[in-house]
Amino acid sequence: GNSVTQMEGPVTLSEEAFLTINCTYTATGYPSLFWYVQYPGEGLQLLLKATKADDKGSNKGFEATYRKETTSFHLEKGSVQVSDSAVYFCALSGPFSGGYNKLIFGAGTRLAVHP
Amino acid sequence: EAGVAQSPRYKIIEKRQSVAFWCNPISGHATLYWYQQILGQGPKLLIQFQNNGVVDDSQLPKDRFSAERLKGVDSTLKIQPAKLEDSAVYLCASSSRTDYLYEQYFGPGTRLTVT
Repeated sequence: GNSVTQMEGPVTLSEEAFLTINCTYTATGYPSLFWYVQYPGEGLQLLLKATKADDKGSNKGFEATYRKETTSFHLEKGSVQVSDSAVYFCALSGPFSGGYNKLIFGAGTRLAVHP
Repeated sequence: EAGVAQSPRYKIIEKRQSVAFWCNPISGHATLYWYQQILGQGPKLLIQFQNNGVVDDSQLPKDRFSAERLKGVDSTLKIQPAKLEDSAVYLCASSSRTDYLYEQYFGPGTRLTVT
C-alpha cells in the first residue's frame, strides 16, 4: 500500500544549526510529495511540495528534493531559528487514489530549537 | 481570505455520549475533508466531500461516525456513541478542486477528549 515513514522525534537543535528530517515513502504510480508544518495551537500549513522526480520544493529557507531512486523526500534547512519549532509532517498524494486529492501522512517529527 | 473555521476548539465528553463538530470551509472551495489525528500520529482521512456528495468514506467507522455537508458548504461530523479511542484532534480541510495537485487548507482542529 501507500505509506510514509519519517524519522522519530523529538529533534532538538541549537539556533543556527543545520536541520535534516528524513522521509521515505512507498507508493504506486507517481505521487506528489509534501511537507506540512504544525505550529503550536495552529492548523497544518503546507510548507513545500514537489510533483515529480528531481523537483526541489523550497519555502522559508526549507528545501526538499524528490528522489525517486531512493523514494525519499528529506527536509533540510541550513540555519534553524527558534521560530521553526513545530511538528513537521511528510505526506504524499497522487492519482493512485482514484484521481482524488487524498493525503497520506507520516507520523510527524517534533522539532525544538533552543536559543 | 478567511481560512477554514472549526468549532468548538475543545470538547470533553464521557464515553457513550454523542458529540458534533462543525466546519466552514474557505469560500468557493468545492472539496471538504475530515481527518482524525490521534496523539503521536499523522492525520488520517475519515471522509471527503465533493460539493455535497461523498467521494471517499472508506476509513469512516460508520457504526458510530456520520458526516454531512448540506448545500455543499458547511459540514458537520458526529460521533454517537463515543469511545475512549475516539480521543483525538479532528481536522477539517478544504481545497478548490479534487485533483491531487490542489492544495488542501486546514482549520485549527477540534481537540476531543473522551473520559
